[in-house]
Amino acid sequence: GENVEQHPSTLSVQEGDSAVIKCTYSDSASNYFPWYKQELGKRPQLIIDIRSNVGEKKDQRIAVTLNKTAKHFSLHITETQPEDSAVYFCAAIPITGTASKLTFGTGTRLQVTL
Amino acid sequence: DSGVTQTPKHLITATGQRVTLRCSPRSGDLSVYWYQQSLDQGLQFLIQYYNGEERAKGNILERFSAQQFPDLHSELNLSSLELGDSALYFCASKERGVTEAFFGQGTRLTVV
Repeated sequence: GENVEQHPSTLSVQEGDSAVIKCTYSDSASNYFPWYKQELGKRPQLIIDIRSNVGEKKDQRIAVTLNKTAKHFSLHITETQPEDSAVYFCAAIPITGTASKLTFGTGTRLQVTL
Repeated sequence: DSGVTQTPKHLITATGQRVTLRCSPRSGDLSVYWYQQSLDQGLQFLIQYYNGEERAKGNILERFSAQQFPDLHSELNLSSLELGDSALYFCASKERGVTEAFFGQGTRLTVV
C-alpha cells in the first residue's frame, strides 16, 4: 500500500516568512495529492490539491509542486500570517475506480510567530 | 459546513463497553472513510466503504467494525473499549474519482 512520509513534524516561522512542507510517497500509481489544514479541535479541510498530470499549482499565497520522477511533492506558503498556524497533512492517493485508500502523512505543526 | 454530519459530537463511556458512531455523508457521495486521531497524532485511516461495500482497509482493530447502509450513512462500532481508544473519530465522504474528501466535525470519544 501507499506510504507517505512528511517532514518536518514541526515548523516555526516568523510572520511574513515562507514555509515549506515536504512529502514523499512510494506508490507510483498515486495520481492525486491533496493538502489539508487542521486547526485545533476542528475538522481537516482541503486547502489545495494537485493531480499527477500537473507539476505545479498556485492559489494566492499557497502553492504545491509535484515531482513524479522523484515521488515527492511540497507545500509552499508565502507571506505567512498567524492564521496559517495549524497542522498540515499531505496525502498521495492512487485512485482507481471506487477504491481509494486515502492515507495521510504524519502531519506538520506550523506555528507562525509575530 | 462540509455537509458531512457525525453524531454524537462527544461520547464518554467506560472500559469494556461498546459504542456506535454515526456518519451521514454529503448528498450524492457514495464513499465514506473513517479515521482515528489520537491526541496530537495524525489521521489514522481505518476503513473505506463505497455504496455499501468495503473497498479499502487500514489499521482497523478487530474490536472495531463498520458498515454502510442502503441510505449511504455509515456506522463505526467500537467494542471492548480500552483507555487507548480515546480519540477523535472522523468520517469523510467523497464522490467517485479524483476529487476532494470532505470531513465531518468528528466524534470525540473518551473512555474512562
